[in-house]
Amino acid sequence: AQKVTQAQTEISVVEKEDVTLDCVYETRDTTYYLFWYKQPPSGELVFLIRRNSFDEQNEISGRYSWNFQKSTSSFNFTITASQVVDSAVYFCALINSGGSNYKLTFGKGTLLTVNP
Amino acid sequence: DAGVIQSPRHEVTEMGQEVTLRCKPISGHDYLFWYRQTMMRGLELLIYFNNNVPIDDSGMPEDRFSAKMPNASFSTLKIQPSEPRDSAVYFCASSLLLTYEQYFGPGTRLTVT
Repeated sequence: AQKVTQAQTEISVVEKEDVTLDCVYETRDTTYYLFWYKQPPSGELVFLIRRNSFDEQNEISGRYSWNFQKSTSSFNFTITASQVVDSAVYFCALINSGGSNYKLTFGKGTLLTVNP
Repeated sequence: DAGVIQSPRHEVTEMGQEVTLRCKPISGHDYLFWYRQTMMRGLELLIYFNNNVPIDDSGMPEDRFSAKMPNASFSTLKIQPSEPRDSAVYFCASSLLLTYEQYFGPGTRLTVT
């Protein structure tokens, strides 16, 4: 079975704090893709990053960084020096690539509130 | 290029009425997805199309829901008859390939009274 778990339902931090959003996944496939999306209060979902299962290199984009560890089946997302504009719901997603039977799974999301 | 376009942005209807939601994907994208988002159930994939052909509709809740994609630039999600429990935000998304990132529309907020 394929599953994405975002155990943190809500996180609240004060501006300039670092915050890490956890994502743990389950899949039997060796080839798969992981994603993070952001849903700000305006409601639209915005793509942040895509990572394939063969690329465990961590990625940094400005204040955002992602830590992909196959050994623990985790794809965590860290925001450094958080800002109020980072307040949003963040979704982790997984799509496998096992033959012709693709399966797309979203986590339940983590609501991040950054307070001034 | 314009993003994914959805209409209407808001829809309020009475129970039993037919509701049609519309979506125009990004030009050149071969995949189109319909999602439903509620507080209780989160983000659910209802159905997706590849080159206008429905591939996986296992997420469609029941026979009251139907989706079509008559051409590469247009898709509809229809609910007939609508019920209060259908109240949700419905998102359409498109992607170049199934394993690529999806681009979401602004959503349609449906309220069934």
